[in-house]
Amino acid sequence: NAGVTQTPKFRVLKTGQSMTLLCAQDMNHEYMYWYRQDPGMGLRLIHYSVGEGTTAKGEVPDGYNVSRLKKQNFLLGLESAAPSQTSVYFCATAGTYSNQPQHFGDGTRLSIL
Amino acid sequence: AQKITQTQPGMFVQEKEAVTLDCTYDTSDQSYGLFWYKQPSSGEMIFLIYQGSYDEQNATEGRYSLNFQKARKSANLVISASQLGDSAMYFCAMRNRDDKIIFGKGTRLHILP
Repeated sequence: NAGVTQTPKFRVLKTGQSMTLLCAQDMNHEYMYWYRQDPGMGLRLIHYSVGEGTTAKGEVPDGYNVSRLKKQNFLLGLESAAPSQTSVYFCATAGTYSNQPQHFGDGTRLSIL
Repeated sequence: AQKITQTQPGMFVQEKEAVTLDCTYDTSDQSYGLFWYKQPSSGEMIFLIYQGSYDEQNATEGRYSLNFQKARKSANLVISASQLGDSAMYFCAMRNRDDKIIFGKGTRLHILP
């Protein structure tokens, strides 16, 4: 019963490199979210998805792209990494009913040198 | 625009005292949900309590209660009889009708023995 699994857990990149963060869920949730957490800034929403094949911009979408080709997976891409994207990234899922809390992955710590 | 504001970056409270963590929000939606999460130093996000915009009663969950004042757009978390294990970051979050879920910047709570 894995819940929400993020891959990788840690990564160090050089400026300009690209990478993809994977979020996989086995909860059959429709809604999936990517956040970044920085000291003093809380969790800021990057992109989210309300179902397979859909994506929407959040509060800080610039520099990131996402895809939801399968219901259980939500991918976050950095095409050309910048030091400002150094952060801890959290994926979360949510059920259909508005009173259901989100379920979070363990986070990915990403450093851009 | 949707927004969550937590005005207390940090708080120090004596063990066994009650503590109130402030949260104000802004939304044009009539239907929305408010959540509080706890994030210990280990990093996981723990759901604490939920309040729906149409709920007439303030939500309670054990030692946690929510002081919901809809007209003032505030949803303060009250922790009664604080314990050392309550030391953590606390986040207020809002889910709107478009299922976007945003967070405040958080409050770091320190419980003193």
